[in-house]
Amino acid sequence: NAGVTQTPKFRILKIGQSMTLQCTQDMNHNYMYWYRQDPGMGLKLIYYSVGAGITDKGEVPNGYNVSRSTTEDFPLRLELAAPSQTSVYFCASSRTGRLTGELFFGEGSRLTVL
Amino acid sequence: DAKTTQPPSMDCAEGRAANLPCNHSTISGNEYVYWYRQIHSQGPQYIIHGLKNNETNEMASLIITEDRKSSTLILPHATLRDTAVYYCIVRVAGNNAGNMLTFGGGTRLMVKP
Repeated sequence: NAGVTQTPKFRILKIGQSMTLQCTQDMNHNYMYWYRQDPGMGLKLIYYSVGAGITDKGEVPNGYNVSRSTTEDFPLRLELAAPSQTSVYFCASSRTGRLTGELFFGEGSRLTVL
Repeated sequence: DAKTTQPPSMDCAEGRAANLPCNHSTISGNEYVYWYRQIHSQGPQYIIHGLKNNETNEMASLIITEDRKSSTLILPHATLRDTAVYYCIVRVAGNNAGNMLTFGGGTRLMVKP
C-alpha cells in the first residue's frame, strides 16, 4: 500500500509565487490534515477535512487554502509565498475522528521561500 | 486539550529499556494519552494510546498512573533505529474537530551503542 503520498518532496519558491502541495491517500480515510513543522519545533495544524467537500481551519491557516473534492485528495495551496512559510509540510489521514487517534503521515514536502 | 510536559532529551543504551516520561497533570476524564515518534526528516509515526489502563502493543508499552496525571512510554529493548523525537499528546476523543493532535516539543531520544 502507498498510504499517504505527498508531492513534491522539495521545492524552492520566490516571494510572491504560488504553488500547490499535493496529497493523496489510498486508505479510504475520511479525515485528512495538513501540518507544518518549523526547524526544531513540533507540528502545527494548518487545515483539516472530515470528508469530501468539508474543510476547516486549524491553528495556523493564514496564507493557505485547501479543497477536498474527493476522498483521496487534499491539496494545500499557497497563494503568495512568504519567507515565513519556509517549513516542512506534512499531510496525514485517519479513519475516524473519534477514538483511534492513529494518524498516517506522508513523508513531507520541504518548502523554501527566498 | 490538556498540556503535556516532557524532558527535552534522553539517552538510552542499545538493548536496554527506554522509559520516556510525560506529565499531563491537567488531564480531564475524557482525554486520551497518545504517543507518536518522528524519526529524522520523516513523518510522525503512531505508537500507542490509552485512557486509564496500561496498554501494550508490538512497539511499546504505555503505563498511566492511577490518577492519570502522568504516563510513561516504555520501549523494552531499544535499538539504534529507535532514535527519534517522541511526542506525548492528550486529546478528547469524539470531538467534531477530528483527530486534531497538538504536537509540542517532544523528547529527543538518543539510543547509543
